[in-house]
Amino acid sequence: ELKVEQNPLFLSMQEGKNYTIYCNYSTTSDRLYWYRQDPGKSLESLFVLLSNGAVKQEGRLMASLDTKARLSTLHITAAVHDLSATYFCGHGSSNTGKLIFGQGTTLQVKP
Amino acid sequence: DSGVTQTPKHLITATGQRVTLRCSPRSGDLSVYWYQQSLDQGLQFLIQYYNGEERAKGNILERFSAQQFPDLHSELNLSSLELGDSALYFCASSRGQGASYEQYFGPGTRLTVT
Repeated sequence: ELKVEQNPLFLSMQEGKNYTIYCNYSTTSDRLYWYRQDPGKSLESLFVLLSNGAVKQEGRLMASLDTKARLSTLHITAAVHDLSATYFCGHGSSNTGKLIFGQGTTLQVKP
Repeated sequence: DSGVTQTPKHLITATGQRVTLRCSPRSGDLSVYWYQQSLDQGLQFLIQYYNGEERAKGNILERFSAQQFPDLHSELNLSSLELGDSALYFCASSRGQGASYEQYFGPGTRLTVT
């Protein structure tokens, strides 16, 4: 059974600091998604990583995919309070597209 | 706004009852996915439809069923409701049915079973 594991599950950091969220998955795949969720809200798509070595950046967030290591990372650069949210990685089934999500990482950025 | 709509936004009902959640996908999207988010189970895939046909099933209880209609909207039916069914139910849609197609999530329906 496919498993997707994120760590850490909770991250409290100061503004201006850098940190990385890790997403490990248990089968070979070249389809990995990152979503952001604000409390009580829906999931907002951040990145779609479709091949080994893919790197995508948007503002202070950068995501990468290493299919050989079965690992994706979401790197936060110089965190700001607006980045406080829960971040989910999701592994996409190549034929159906169904997403298996990690547990989520709740990020709290303190001024 | 993702373009995916879900109704109702909130639903409060009693144990043993039956409810129907509705989802309208983005214009042109053929795939609809249903997910359940709860504190103890996290975010779980329930079921997927593509152009009216069921394509994948996840951890969906036998008390739950879904369908996709010819106009591509989808309904998730939950029956014999239990307290543990209280959760946020999301619908997502995508253009196709492979993982190369990005999924766009609706605002969700918050179900509270009392």
